[in-house]
Amino acid sequence: KQEVTQIPAALSVPEGENLVLNCSFTDSAIYNLQWFRQDPGKGLTSLLLIQSSQREQTSGRLNASLDKSSGRSTLYIAASQPGDSATYLCALKPYMEYGNKLVFGAGTILRVKS
Amino acid sequence: KAGVTQTPRYLIKTRGQQVTLSCSPISGHRSVSWYQQTPGQGLQFLFEYFSETQRNKGNFPGRFSGRQFSNSRSEMNVSTLELGDSALYLCASFRPGVVNTEAFFGQGTRLTVV
Repeated sequence: KQEVTQIPAALSVPEGENLVLNCSFTDSAIYNLQWFRQDPGKGLTSLLLIQSSQREQTSGRLNASLDKSSGRSTLYIAASQPGDSATYLCALKPYMEYGNKLVFGAGTILRVKS
Repeated sequence: KAGVTQTPRYLIKTRGQQVTLSCSPISGHRSVSWYQQTPGQGLQFLFEYFSETQRNKGNFPGRFSGRQFSNSRSEMNVSTLELGDSALYLCASFRPGVVNTEAFFGQGTRLTVV
């Protein structure tokens, strides 16, 4: 059974710092991995999608990498801002699941202090 | 382009009642998935519909059911509500494709059972 773990569970940093959020998974047989942001009480906003054949994706100050052999993905946020404060979730689509079922990690709660 | 729309945004129901939630996917998206999010269990997959057919189902009791209409709009129903059903219910629609498709989530419906 695929399990997804996100470390750390919570992170508090001063504004301007570069930071890395980690996502690990137990089974490398995945189609893709997607990073989301969730503000309190709101839905999920897609940040980056990495296909299984890709190593990384970039969007603005965000860079996500994928290493299937080690079962890891990282989300790098450059020059963090208070507006980046949110919960960050990773989710993957396993080979063994039919259709579009996603398996989620528990998330990392990020607080960027001004 | 309109995003995924969920209605209503908030609901308060009494134990034993039933509830119906609605999700309108992004235009052109035919796959709709439902997730339950609670502080203790995180995001858990309920079921997925594609072209009016359920094609995957999570480990939830039969009180949770859903359907999809010909215009791809989906509804989920929970009968005989329990206190533990209080959660944020999220739906996602998927860009058309084979398997490497991106998920887009709605803002969710916050259900409180009293």
